[in-house]
Amino acid sequence: DAGVTQSPTHLIKTRGQQVTLRCSPKSGHDTVSWYQQALGQGPQFIFQYYEEEERQRGNFPDRFSGHQFPNYSSELNVNALLLGDSALYLCASSHPGTGRIDRYEQYFGPGTRLTVT
Amino acid sequence: GDSVTQMEGPVTLSEEAFLTINCTYTATGYPSLFWYVQYPGEGLQLLLKATKADDKGSNKGFEATYRKETTSFHLEKGSVQVSDSAVYFCALSYSGGGADGLTFGKGTHLIIQP
Repeated sequence: DAGVTQSPTHLIKTRGQQVTLRCSPKSGHDTVSWYQQALGQGPQFIFQYYEEEERQRGNFPDRFSGHQFPNYSSELNVNALLLGDSALYLCASSHPGTGRIDRYEQYFGPGTRLTVT
Repeated sequence: GDSVTQMEGPVTLSEEAFLTINCTYTATGYPSLFWYVQYPGEGLQLLLKATKADDKGSNKGFEATYRKETTSFHLEKGSVQVSDSAVYFCALSYSGGGADGLTFGKGTHLIIQP
């Protein structure tokens, strides 16, 4: 059973450019969350997608946008890149389902390391 | 807003020592609490969780008790091993962790020396 996968592994972009990161959730999961982890910091919640819609959003500007496809995979797009956007971007999937709270666990992918120069 | 505060690292211990990593939180409601671990080169993994006050989460010899009166969720282990070396994150959420975003602390880097 494949876990959460992300692509690419590493990415180098120039300030002002746009970037798209991709995530495939764990099999059976229908909810995808994105996090930004700056060096030496804890992950910060960007947004969450469920049923192809953004369900919840953290404190990030509109330059950060996303999409979820019918197969539950997701993309994170960042426009007008800033040096401060350099970070590890983590994707997590979950399956709220019904009933037992154990099903609410988020499973994380290995992340995409974005460097903005 | 909600926040999580962890003790600063790195924390360096000898093998078989007792471990405590402090975590306190500020929340407007009654969140669920989590400890995640990040091994070198790997993704975040859920270590343990507690969903209500006085619950104790446990896994792989690690334990943490949800203390509402002190708004704390300290991580403990009686005898650490070199393989426990990793970064540990305390986190909270309001839905058990899957139906909304997690709020993380900054992480504590644990180094276990043989």
